[in-house]
Amino acid sequence: GQNIDQPTEMTATEGAIVQINCTYQTSGFNGLFWYQQHAGEAPTFLSYNVLDGLEEKGRFSSFLSRSKGYSYLLLKELQMKDSASYLCAAKSASILTGGGNKLTFGTGTQLKVEL
Amino acid sequence: DGGITQSPKYLFRKEGQNVTLSCEQNLNHDAMYWYRQDPGQGLRLIYYSQIVNDFQKGDIAEGYSVSREKKESFPLTVTSAQKNPTAFYLCASTRAQNTGELFFGEGSRLTVL
Repeated sequence: GQNIDQPTEMTATEGAIVQINCTYQTSGFNGLFWYQQHAGEAPTFLSYNVLDGLEEKGRFSSFLSRSKGYSYLLLKELQMKDSASYLCAAKSASILTGGGNKLTFGTGTQLKVEL
Repeated sequence: DGGITQSPKYLFRKEGQNVTLSCEQNLNHDAMYWYRQDPGQGLRLIYYSQIVNDFQKGDIAEGYSVSREKKESFPLTVTSAQKNPTAFYLCASTRAQNTGELFFGEGSRLTVL
């Protein structure tokens, strides 16, 4: 089965750093995505991790530990425009999917950035 | 510019009616997906297609149907058998051979009156 957990809501201050955690239990796991979604809009890609470790991309970084089934998204120098929902998604592939990729999403973490 | 186009953006229907949501992509992507999003819930997979003329059920396929007659198009029909059709529907596509990053359309919001 597939199960992904992340906090429902978080609040942080402009200019600060925030870490959004995600734990997953996914059979056939082969990668972890983070997406950002503003209200009423489509999700947009932020990061992808397949190997253990930290991937840095500007103000955003993402970490993966496959042995622990754990990932986090780190946002630095928070801006008001970072207020959005952040979706963790685990990729899996199996013969049941014809060997193709399937993404299972968490419920999303609603981040509110305050002055 | 390449992208994914969903239409209509907003749709109202009466109970008991079928409705079809359009999804077209010009990214030359092999795989296409339909997700449903409800308030406070994550994206849930309805159907997906890895190749033309083939598709698989996702986690919540009951009450929905799809077709994949062309690589560019993956329409979703919400049938009267779907008990709670009011939701935000997202279509996505990806190249099959790379990371599998999903590219999303702008979404279609369906409201059943």
